[in-house]
Amino acid sequence: GAGVSQSPSNKVTEKGKDVELRCDPISGHTALYWYRQSLGQGLEFLIYFQGNSAPDKSGLPSDRFSAERTGGSVSTLTIQRTQQEDSAVYLCASSPTADSNYGYTFGSGTRLTVV
Amino acid sequence: AQKITQTQPGMFVQEKEAVTLDCTYDTSDQSYGLFWYKQPSSGEMIFLIYQGSYDEQNATEGRYSLNFQKARKSANLVISASQLGDSAMYFCAMREPLGGTSYGKLTFGQGTILTVHP
Repeated sequence: GAGVSQSPSNKVTEKGKDVELRCDPISGHTALYWYRQSLGQGLEFLIYFQGNSAPDKSGLPSDRFSAERTGGSVSTLTIQRTQQEDSAVYLCASSPTADSNYGYTFGSGTRLTVV
Repeated sequence: AQKITQTQPGMFVQEKEAVTLDCTYDTSDQSYGLFWYKQPSSGEMIFLIYQGSYDEQNATEGRYSLNFQKARKSANLVISASQLGDSAMYFCAMREPLGGTSYGKLTFGQGTILTVHP
């Protein structure tokens, strides 16, 4: 596609439920990143994919968070047993390579609200 | 570990004037990349400009320029001839070098909110 697509754009869920956030990167981009942005804050790195593998998962805050990428394309971030502190905007970004001088192209994000 | 510091939570500028947004960084790496992104109220992150640590010239992209002072570890963004549409949050970010267990992820500062007055 022309840009990075994320769905849903907004998600309200009850505490304790599981949620899945989807990211469809730009076609041909091998590098894919997930970040989290809490209200008024900077971006917090979660996980990096190169192709289908995730060599850097160091930012996942707990074992309730997991992610996968299939076919070197679509990625899903899953949060199990959601907590109120998980409320944030989850941003996905992709890049042709990890060392692109144009940085990442970001999606518009999924705003997650846990009530 | 890498660290990015943006000390200005908010900045105000008059339309058509220039403004400098500060960014300092801390790294022990010799090779790294510095980026600036703009985040309007719509929430999207827009890439503005890139500076490589070995680049001798300051990067420029239209009205954006990056004042890179390597010895001071600063990478300030200069926006010339500010426009109302420049009102947004601005993030400075640093990319760690690739290799070993490093995969080039970006570390972001806390951001600076720029407000352009008519």
